[in-house]
This record gives sequence, C-alpha cells and structure tokens, in this order.
Amino acid sequence: GAGVSQSPSNKVTEKGKDVELRCDPISGHTALYWYRQSLGQGLEFLIYFQGNSAPDKSGLPSDRFSAERTGGSVSTLTIQRTQQEDSAVYLCASSLDSNSGNTIYFGEGSWLTVV
Amino acid sequence: AQSVTQPDIHITVSEGASLELRCNYSYGATPYLFWYVQSPGQGLQLLLKYFSGDTLVQGIKGFEAEFKRSQSSFNLRKPSVHCSDAAEYFCAVDSGGGATNKLIFGTGTLLAVQP
Repeated sequence: GAGVSQSPSNKVTEKGKDVELRCDPISGHTALYWYRQSLGQGLEFLIYFQGNSAPDKSGLPSDRFSAERTGGSVSTLTIQRTQQEDSAVYLCASSLDSNSGNTIYFGEGSWLTVV
Repeated sequence: AQSVTQPDIHITVSEGASLELRCNYSYGATPYLFWYVQSPGQGLQLLLKYFSGDTLVQGIKGFEAEFKRSQSSFNLRKPSVHCSDAAEYFCAVDSGGGATNKLIFGTGTLLAVQP
C-alpha cells in the first residue's frame, strides 16, 4: 500500500523479554518518527530520523529503548527487558522531510502488551 | 515549558449541531499548530494546520480552526456535525518551531455524536 506500514499490529510479550517493532515509511519520505500512545501519558514523541543526520533521540524514555533506520527506509524500534509500563501503542510516521510544512502520515500502530 | 492543553476530555453533541473543541498552547515563539483526528482502529489523520497568515484555517471534512494569539488558543470548529465525526481529536504544536515535526500533543478530546 501507499501508507506507513507497521508490524506487528499486536504483540503480547512477557515482562523482561525484548521486542522489535517495524515501520515501513512511505516511499521517498526522508523523515521518520516514532511516537507512543498510552493511557497514562497520552501521545509522546520518542525519536525521529531525518535523512542521513544523527537521529533525535530526545524522547526515548530510557536506555532500554533504541531505534535504527537502515538504508534510509525501514526502521526498527527495539525495547529491551520490557516492563509493564511499556504497554502502549507505538505509532510510526513519515513525511517528505522534517519541515512542518510537510504533512506527517501516521501508521495504524503496533499495540504492545507486556504481561 | 511548551505544552498543549485540551480541557475537554469528552464531549457529546447531537448530529447536526455545531461543534467547538478547545485547545490552548504554551509556546515561546510563533507556534506551528495542528489538529489531528483518530478514528477507532485507524491512525492519526491531519485535519488542518496553522503556520502564519490568515488566523482562520480551513481543513478537511468541513473543519476549521481559529488561531488567537491573545488567548493562546487554536480551537477547532465545525458548523454541523455528522455521526461519522465521532472520534478522538488531538491538538498539537511543533516543538521545533516548524523545522522538526516533533509534535507535542494535547491529551485529546473524545467526541461522541448522538443521532
């Protein structure tokens, strides 16, 4: 499809396990964002990538969270040693570049439940 | 600190009635403001955005918003609501002054529409 694609759509994992969430942005979009949506915290910015620049990791809540973007396209968000408070919907988004004049397109999210 | 406040957590209106969703922001410079809608099972969709110029901006689905600097507000309006407008609405500001698309979101307003 032409939109932002995320997988898995749902993931249930045991506390302490590592999880990987994948995002496939819209073709040609150089900016890619990860946000988290949870009941307690609402929608929070996590990290963004713009082209070949170093990513802005200022929103990552702890060092258990990391993300990479390979070849300027697909991105993977990794959460190590998951905790129950990590349960949330993880939203990926992309835009032509990071200028606010360009619309961000969001994926449908990956719903993570840590039990 | 930069922030967005949506004072109404939940609003119910009758179909055909007018709608106004409130949004107040705290931002030191000229804000770049957005309204997004999230329907059940769908990703966030941009309704409209304000950068500069005319303080009344038109968006998709018949929505409009008015930027009032003196009140630090960016309220969303629609003259006649349809059942399909039932969704959650988020106001947001670009924390990077228009250069990053790093959005700070409000907590959202859940809109219910009575037939």
